[in-house]
Amino acid sequence: DAGVIQSPRHEVTEMGQEVTLRCKPISGHDYLFWYRQTMMRGLELLIYFNNNVPIDDSGMPEDRFSAKMPNASFSTLKIQPSEPRDSAVYFCASSLGSTGNNQPQHFGDGTRLSIL
Amino acid sequence: RKEVEQDPGPFNVPEGATVAFNCTYSNSASQSFFWYRQDCRKEPKLLMSVYSSGNEDGRFTAQLNRASQYISLLIRDSKLSDSATYLCVVNMLAGGFKTIFGAGTRLFVKA
Repeated sequence: DAGVIQSPRHEVTEMGQEVTLRCKPISGHDYLFWYRQTMMRGLELLIYFNNNVPIDDSGMPEDRFSAKMPNASFSTLKIQPSEPRDSAVYFCASSLGSTGNNQPQHFGDGTRLSIL
Repeated sequence: RKEVEQDPGPFNVPEGATVAFNCTYSNSASQSFFWYRQDCRKEPKLLMSVYSSGNEDGRFTAQLNRASQYISLLIRDSKLSDSATYLCVVNMLAGGFKTIFGAGTRLFVKA
């Protein structure tokens, strides 16, 4: 079975440019999560969706970040304008059901983003 | 105080050693618990869920102590391939669903 698919794997761009990260969750999973990982701050939850609806975006750093999930099989995380401090690895994860069902999250390979 | 705290590490152990990681959580509303493994420059991967009665998967044993609010991971007969960062994960319902990842504990297994 296909896992969570993210694209691109690597992105290098200049500050001020728009960056769009893409994610395809595991088919049938109804939760989708976006994370950012850096050495300094570890793994941070940015936003999560349930049945395509954003539930909690309190982890989104600022208005430059936005995320959408137009359908059950696709989500985007957009940064506009990008800044060097946005450089990190961005992971997408999906899971089935609620926390009460003890369901783990499955991660994609991540997008390694470098803003120059 | 962080919501999920792990041993800072790194742990440096010889092959064949037994190593234990602990993780404490602050929110008693925490509902489900996991250990993930993350290799360098890779994504976190589920190692095992942690059940109230404790559970074992080969050389790995996970335990949960709700009264003291901690979970543990025991690795027996450690292998070189066990070298990685181990992340403690806690899911809770606190004003909505919330997943908290620990900062991770780095393990180095030496020949």
